[in-house]
Amino acid sequence: AQSVTQPDIHITVSEGASLELRCNYSYGATPYLFWYVQSPGQGLQLLLKYFSGDTLVQGIKGFEAEFKRSQSSFNLRKPSVHWSDAAEYFCAVGTGTASKLTFGTGTRLQVTL
Amino acid sequence: GAGVSQSPSNKVTEKGKDVELRCDPISGHTALYWYRQSLGQGLEFLIYFQGNSAPDKSGLPSDRFSAERTGGSVSTLTIQRTQQEDSAVYLCASSLSPYTSGNTIYFGEGSWLTVV
Repeated sequence: AQSVTQPDIHITVSEGASLELRCNYSYGATPYLFWYVQSPGQGLQLLLKYFSGDTLVQGIKGFEAEFKRSQSSFNLRKPSVHWSDAAEYFCAVGTGTASKLTFGTGTRLQVTL
Repeated sequence: GAGVSQSPSNKVTEKGKDVELRCDPISGHTALYWYRQSLGQGLEFLIYFQGNSAPDKSGLPSDRFSAERTGGSVSTLTIQRTQQEDSAVYLCASSLSPYTSGNTIYFGEGSWLTVV
């Protein structure tokens, strides 16, 4: 069965600094990969997804992620963080053979001014 | 509607009572998912509907949990004889067709269930 690991439970960055959130997955073939963001009291919003093709994926709000097959990783990056980016971020994997997405436990991002 | 709508947004119930949680997916979306999010945990898959049928209900934690979908639209998640460990946020999501077709899965804001 597939699994997703987000090793960082909580990250604090200063506004304007760069950000990288880590995501590793376990699956034998190339998975479908997603990053979602959840603000307090809100549902999850899709930031970006990787299905195939270019391994560098651009998303909304200035986020990007890079699929690295050799490292089984799909890390999320942003060059300059804004205070409004404070939220919880979830990485998810889908295998295509199952109907569901499997989510990581999330990384809570705090942004200091 | 414009988004996935869930009700109630908050529910406090006594241990042993039954609860029903409702999900109104985005109009025209054939795929519907239920997830559970416990404090400090990721999202735990419960059940997937394609139309009115549930080809994957592998995540339902016990026979106290059931779900149905009618008219290819509204879905209800029912928890019987609630226990304190059922306290969580129950998230509903929908997509135009299964995500493997490239469609985005949209989430509702969730129903926060507290069992006292």
